[in-house]
Amino acid sequence: DTGVSQDPRHKITKRGQNVTFRCDPISEHNRLYWYRQTLGQGPEFLTYFQNEAQLEKSRLLSDRFSAERPKGSFSTLEIQRTEQGDSAMYLCASSLDAGVTEAFFGQGTRLTVV
Amino acid sequence: GQNIDQPTEMTATEGAIVQINCTYQTSGFNGLFWYQQHAGEAPTFLSYNVLDGLEEKGRFSSFLSRSKGYSYLLLKELQMKDSASYLCAAHMDSNYQLIWGAGTKLIIKP
Repeated sequence: DTGVSQDPRHKITKRGQNVTFRCDPISEHNRLYWYRQTLGQGPEFLTYFQNEAQLEKSRLLSDRFSAERPKGSFSTLEIQRTEQGDSAMYLCASSLDAGVTEAFFGQGTRLTVV
Repeated sequence: GQNIDQPTEMTATEGAIVQINCTYQTSGFNGLFWYQQHAGEAPTFLSYNVLDGLEEKGRFSSFLSRSKGYSYLLLKELQMKDSASYLCAAHMDSNYQLIWGAGTKLIIKP
């Protein structure tokens, strides 16, 4: 499978714990995006990487959230001191770095904070 | 401000035609995406409109009017597998930023 892959698919954690998600984009894609989606809503932009550079971070993202893409390939999204409001589907997408191109989404990581 | 609106839910009959509308108010608009999302799955790309007019792609067509801030997705010969949410997203001036609608849940009945 050469699509975008995310790990884990599901994560249940206790409030206050830290969690980390991984995204492996399509190999030739330079652009990588993280989104958060709650039930009945569209994806909400979190952050964007072009290669290893994090070029944009949503103002809605608190300092408990951090993302990295150290070698311009895979990316990780960490949430520290999780809260129940963090429960959502976290989607990763990637696209080519050539004008406007469609983004390919991974299957997402569903986070439940109890 | 920036805003995208689409109906929350629509119902249609197998074999029929349905039109899902999307209106947007954004600054620096470049084009409009449509994605399909089945429950519990990732969104998948359907279409991207930059110019005004209708673009047809098999059973699915997408229309854009930039002056009216309006788009629609037209689905013909509906099949049960078309039951899904359909998301419109406005592409902004920057080369990556998308503003997403909440999605329209389409229910297909036999």
